[in-house]
Amino acid sequence: AQSVTQLGSHVSVSEGALVLLRCNYSSSVPPYLFWYVQYPNQGLQLLLKYTSAATLVKGINGFEAEFKKSETSFHLTKPSAHMSDAAEYFCAVSGDNAGNMLTFGGGTRLMVKP
Amino acid sequence: EPEVTQTPSHQVTQMGQEVILRCVPISNHLYFYWYRQILGQKVEFLVSFYNNEISEKSEIFDDQFSVERPDGSNFTLKIRSTKLEDSAMYFCASSVGQGRGTEAFFGQGTRLTVV
Repeated sequence: AQSVTQLGSHVSVSEGALVLLRCNYSSSVPPYLFWYVQYPNQGLQLLLKYTSAATLVKGINGFEAEFKKSETSFHLTKPSAHMSDAAEYFCAVSGDNAGNMLTFGGGTRLMVKP
Repeated sequence: EPEVTQTPSHQVTQMGQEVILRCVPISNHLYFYWYRQILGQKVEFLVSFYNNEISEKSEIFDDQFSVERPDGSNFTLKIRSTKLEDSAMYFCASSVGQGRGTEAFFGQGTRLTVV
């Protein structure tokens, strides 16, 4: 079985500030991890994924995430927030079977202040 | 850019009625999924579908639910005799493959409100 916990349902940062969205996972097998973003009235869009290659993963829009096995974490960061980054962010882990079922965290709404 | 499309974007139905949520997956994708998100809760997996069969389903996906690929393009979720607790955002997704690292592409969702 697997689970994902996202600390902080709401995060507010100033434009230009560091963005840090936290994700911790639990998985009975080596995890495959994903970050999705949802802009208002849109579907979930993949930001980046970790599939057991490099532990530092770079994604779209300047986001990156680091897989830390010892901490069971996969936190999402961006050095400088932009107003357009305001959205809901979901961390997910792939199922521990052969399928592609995703288990999601509760989501973090990122607000960016001017 | 190819995308998954869902219709309708909003659906209001009376308790006890049947609803069908529709999805058009990306054309060369072979695996299809439904997820739902009850307001304020996590996105939850419902079912995956491949080669005209359910390949996986969660505990949520009981006899009230069914999925179908009625033609070469649509993928539908039917909810029989809707209940108040079925109110949620329903997301359709599709992927090329089923490997654990395969990206699933999501639609924009259908918000279902049962009154």
